[in-house]
Amino acid sequence: DTGVSQDPRHKITKRGQNVTFRCDPISEHNRLYWYRQTLGQGPEFLTYFQNEAQLEKSRLLSDRFSAERPKGSFSTLEIQRTEQGDSAMYLCASSLVGGFYEQYFGPGTRLTVT
Amino acid sequence: AQSVAQPEDQVNVAEGNPLTVKCTYSVSGNPYLFWYVQYPNRGLQFLLKYITGDNLVKGSYGFEAEFNKSQTSFHLKKPSALVSDSALYFCAVRDTIRRDDKIIFGKGTRLHILP
Repeated sequence: DTGVSQDPRHKITKRGQNVTFRCDPISEHNRLYWYRQTLGQGPEFLTYFQNEAQLEKSRLLSDRFSAERPKGSFSTLEIQRTEQGDSAMYLCASSLVGGFYEQYFGPGTRLTVT
Repeated sequence: AQSVAQPEDQVNVAEGNPLTVKCTYSVSGNPYLFWYVQYPNRGLQFLLKYITGDNLVKGSYGFEAEFNKSQTSFHLKKPSALVSDSALYFCAVRDTIRRDDKIIFGKGTRLHILP
């Protein structure tokens, strides 16, 4: 069963460093989403792609954040000059095109900025 | 604007008893509604969805949910709770009037099943 995978699962970094996370979606899914989840909250939408096109970005996604999906398969989320407020679980999800399709989530990458 | 409310932070139920986790929503158009479950240090796992048709939707692990348009609710239910059902449950909504596929999640309800 090849679900959504994310790497790394955990990342500890010092404030000011850059970090990059990877997401591999379910192979036939052409939509890919990034969310951020903090303690006691539900996932908050960051951005999503249809194939390689980034279709929408949340206001939460400051200019320190960038996401790519260069060949319409895996995606990367980079955070530059990390801040302590970036500490969170970063979740990736994928789905087929069409709002009635459910999204399937990966296990997440837990980022701790010290 | 679309929004989801889960009014209970935590629900405690004795094993074997029926459980209900509440969810209300607000959308401009018609809703697509979803329930997900999250176990510790794991991603979200899809349970069930309402798109159209029957108001009672059946999903994984014996869970079901009832769509009530007049009350704008989509409560999650199970007739007999198991200890293994203890987890964090999220309700989510998509407003079909929107062109994107963005879904909005509630804050979650922690379900404790007491042995």
